[in-house]
Amino acid sequence: GGIITQTPKFLIGQEGQKLTLKCQQNFNHDTMYWYRQDSGKGLRLIYYSITENDLQKGDLSEGYDASREKKSSFSLTVTSAQKNEMAVFLCASSIPGGKSDYTFGSGTRLLVI
Amino acid sequence: TQTVSQSDAHVTVFEGDSVELRCNYSYGGSIYLSWYIQHHGRGLQFLLKYYSGNPVVQGVNGFEAEFSKSDSSFHLRKASVHWSDSAVYFCAVSPGTGGYKVVFGSGTRLLVSP
Repeated sequence: GGIITQTPKFLIGQEGQKLTLKCQQNFNHDTMYWYRQDSGKGLRLIYYSITENDLQKGDLSEGYDASREKKSSFSLTVTSAQKNEMAVFLCASSIPGGKSDYTFGSGTRLLVI
Repeated sequence: TQTVSQSDAHVTVFEGDSVELRCNYSYGGSIYLSWYIQHHGRGLQFLLKYYSGNPVVQGVNGFEAEFSKSDSSFHLRKASVHWSDSAVYFCAVSPGTGGYKVVFGSGTRLLVSP
C-alpha cells in the first residue's frame, strides 16, 4: 500500500524564521494539498497543486509559499513564523477532482517560540 | 460557497452504546459529502462518502451515514461503539460538479468510556 510521509513530525521555530515542511506520497496521486489545523477548528486549505509544477492558493495562503517540483512531493514554507503560533499542518493527496477521497499524512506540529 | 457545521464539539458515550454525530451543510447545488476520522496524533482517515443514490451509505468499522436533502444533513451513526472509536470525526463537503476546495467541519470529539 501507499503512504504519505510528512517531515519533520515536530518543528520548533523562532519568530521571523522561514520554515519548510515537506510531504512525499507514493500513491502516484496527481493532486496534493496542504491544510492547517488549529485546536478546536476545522481544517483550512493553504495551498493545493493539481499536478506537478502547478500551484493554487487556498483560503489561508497569505504568509505561506508552496512548491511542487515533483509529482510525488509537495513542500510548504512558512515565510515568517509568528510568535506563539501553534498548529498542525496536514498534507493530503488524491486523484483529480473534488469527489475523490483524500489520503492524509500524520502531520507536522509547529510551535513558534 | 459551501459551509459545514458540526454542532457538537464533544460527545461522550459508553462502550456498546449507539451514537450519532451530527453534520449540517449549506450549499445550493449538488454536493459531495464525506466523513473522516482522526485518532490522536494522526492524520485524517476516510470513513465514507455520499454523492447520489441510496441516502444511507455504509463505511468501515460499522459506521454509516444518512443524507437528507430536506434537512441539509449527513449524520454519522454507529449502532454499538467500541473504545477504539474514540477520536475526532470530521464532516466534509465539496461541490458535486467537481473542484478542489473541500470544506471541513470543525470536528466532533467522541469519547467512548469502557
